Amino acid sequence: DQQVKQNSPSLSVQEGRISILNCDYTNSMFDYFLWYKKYPAEGPTFLISISSIKDKNEDGRFTVFLNKSAKHLSLHIVPSQPGDSAVYFCAASSGGYQKVTFGTGTKLQVIP
Amino acid sequence: GAGVSQSPSNKVTEKGKDVELRCDPISGHTALYWYRQSLGQGLEFLIYFQGNSAPDKSGLPSDRFSAERTGGSVSTLTIQRTQQEDSAVYLCASRDSLQHYGYTFGSGTRLTVV
Repeated sequence: DQQVKQNSPSLSVQEGRISILNCDYTNSMFDYFLWYKKYPAEGPTFLISISSIKDKNEDGRFTVFLNKSAKHLSLHIVPSQPGDSAVYFCAASSGGYQKVTFGTGTKLQVIP
Repeated sequence: GAGVSQSPSNKVTEKGKDVELRCDPISGHTALYWYRQSLGQGLEFLIYFQGNSAPDKSGLPSDRFSAERTGGSVSTLTIQRTQQEDSAVYLCASRDSLQHYGYTFGSGTRLTVV
């Protein structure tokens, strides 16, 4: 039972344009959402998070949007840079940070 | 050290052998997690340690898998009688109890069972 779903395994975007990565979840108990970025042969690194009491969180070029009614969140990267090319994991947790459930990841390629 | 350290970085083992994977979390981090990523899959939760509490073992796929955390620091994940489906990247992460910005992951151990 995949509680966090990233339906697009890959995405290609031109440098300077917007990248939009999508994520859906099924567990209504999730109250904290995170995005991680992973380069090959490295562990995932935390990118940005959002609490369920908010619908938007922004950090520089990265913005996460949360639509609780649709159980959907998205990560926007503007402008996209070649160094953003990586696998992006959506993740969610409930009632604190004891256990985070990850999606299957979306591989983003930013074309120079 | 400054980050989460995992060893070995790569391990090739024969089917049926036992393996031990080691994780050194960030000093002072009370929470430690093991995940694994199989080819084409997401990050699968395995086990979680929090301080002196009983670990959450709900993600361990079979009784061939076990983990210990000694002295609230180093953790060892042991896989007995390895099978080919155990081949994956095993990732360890740690977190400070006051940290609200996600885990810090190690670089992982790539396990290949031949």
